[in-house]
Amino acid sequence: AQKVTQAQTEISVVEKEDVTLDCVYETRDTTYYLFWYKQPPSGELVFLIRRNSFDEQNEISGRYSWNFQKSTSSFNFTITASQVVDSAVYFCALSEAKSGGSNYKLTFGKGTLLTVNP
Amino acid sequence: DAGVTQSPTHLIKTRGQQVTLRCSPKSGHDTVSWYQQALGQGPQFIFQYYEEEERQRGNFPDRFSGHQFPNYSSELNVNALLLGDSALYLCASSIGLRTLEQYFGPGTRLTVT
Repeated sequence: AQKVTQAQTEISVVEKEDVTLDCVYETRDTTYYLFWYKQPPSGELVFLIRRNSFDEQNEISGRYSWNFQKSTSSFNFTITASQVVDSAVYFCALSEAKSGGSNYKLTFGKGTLLTVNP
Repeated sequence: DAGVTQSPTHLIKTRGQQVTLRCSPKSGHDTVSWYQQALGQGPQFIFQYYEEEERQRGNFPDRFSGHQFPNYSSELNVNALLLGDSALYLCASSIGLRTLEQYFGPGTRLTVT
């Protein structure tokens, strides 16, 4: 069974600080996908980034970057120079690629509440 | 380009009642997935509809049922409501069954008293 663990329940930082959100996952599949979503107070989940299990190259996209390490089953997400508008709940999610390639249901962690103070 | 829309925004029901939630997918999308998000938790997958059929189901009882219409919109029905059904219900749409991008709606907040 799939499982996603976000050990950090809440994080509070001051604006312009860098912040890293941790995510550890469990899966038996060799092919899977990892995601980060942002949920502002409005409730709508906003897609941020996605990585697949066969590509461990870490990338930077604007103020976002991620560190994917299969050896430790971790998929950490970093926001550089945080801003007040980054305040939200951040979810890490896992999707397995079923045989036949269908049904990409998402398994979410419990989320990390990030508060960026001015 | 309209995104995923859900109605109603908020709903209050009494234990034992039945409720229907509605979702219209993003333009061009034909697959709808439903998730339940209890307070302080991550979303949990309920089921997914494609071509008007339930394609996959999460660990939810039969009290949770759904439907997809020819225009791809979808309904989530919950019978015999329990207090524990109080949650934010999120709808996500995508294209077919082989795409990873899912777009989420703002959700329906259901309160069962």
